[in-house]
Amino acid sequence: GQQVMQIPQYQHVQEGEDFTTYCNSSTTLSNIQWYKQRPGGHPVFLIQLVKSGEVKKQKRLTFQFGEAKKNSSLHITATQTTDVGTYFCLGDNFNKFYFGSGTKLNVKP
Amino acid sequence: DSGVTQTPKHLITATGQRVTLRCSPRSGDLSVYWYQQSLDQGLQFLIQYYNGEERAKGNILERFSAQQFPDLHSELNLSSLELGDSALYFCASSVGRTSGYYEQYFGPGTRLTVT
Repeated sequence: GQQVMQIPQYQHVQEGEDFTTYCNSSTTLSNIQWYKQRPGGHPVFLIQLVKSGEVKKQKRLTFQFGEAKKNSSLHITATQTTDVGTYFCLGDNFNKFYFGSGTKLNVKP
Repeated sequence: DSGVTQTPKHLITATGQRVTLRCSPRSGDLSVYWYQQSLDQGLQFLIQYYNGEERAKGNILERFSAQQFPDLHSELNLSSLELGDSALYFCASSVGRTSGYYEQYFGPGTRLTVT
């Protein structure tokens, strides 16, 4: 069954609002990656988190890895129309890897 | 441009037929992954090859098979096609062997339509 759950499935925001997507695993992960897929495009790697409690920032994007290494979040501050797309997490549990189901973000200008 | 190439870009075929999708990884990458993405759905991992050998298997149907050749390009063979096989098929590559640890570079995908 699904090893990495991702919520929400969809999020519609007004430009300038914040956005967060969450990934939760039933098992401890060795690392987690985040990808973005623009409409009509292919997934593109954003970042990888490895350490417990790790926080990384890329401009308006903040990525967190939970202390227990079972959950992760991606937060976008002050969304822009260029943020539109589907955000996927990929969790690796030392033996297998699992993509989350993705969160589709729509930003209204 | 990720450096991963996939051919063909589009494929339309009939039920019961067999097709082959082709992928060339980024220069230097030894791992190739295949994914299926149905309309507005997530990525379903099918299979991974590393340096010519099968490394990990996901939800790949018995009607589907893949291989990686000595020049590291890979082919995904889909046979006895059904309507439900219509999807976008992505190939990705990475430098390392451990599946979820190395950044994956995705190709543009092959859109398969089964009629």
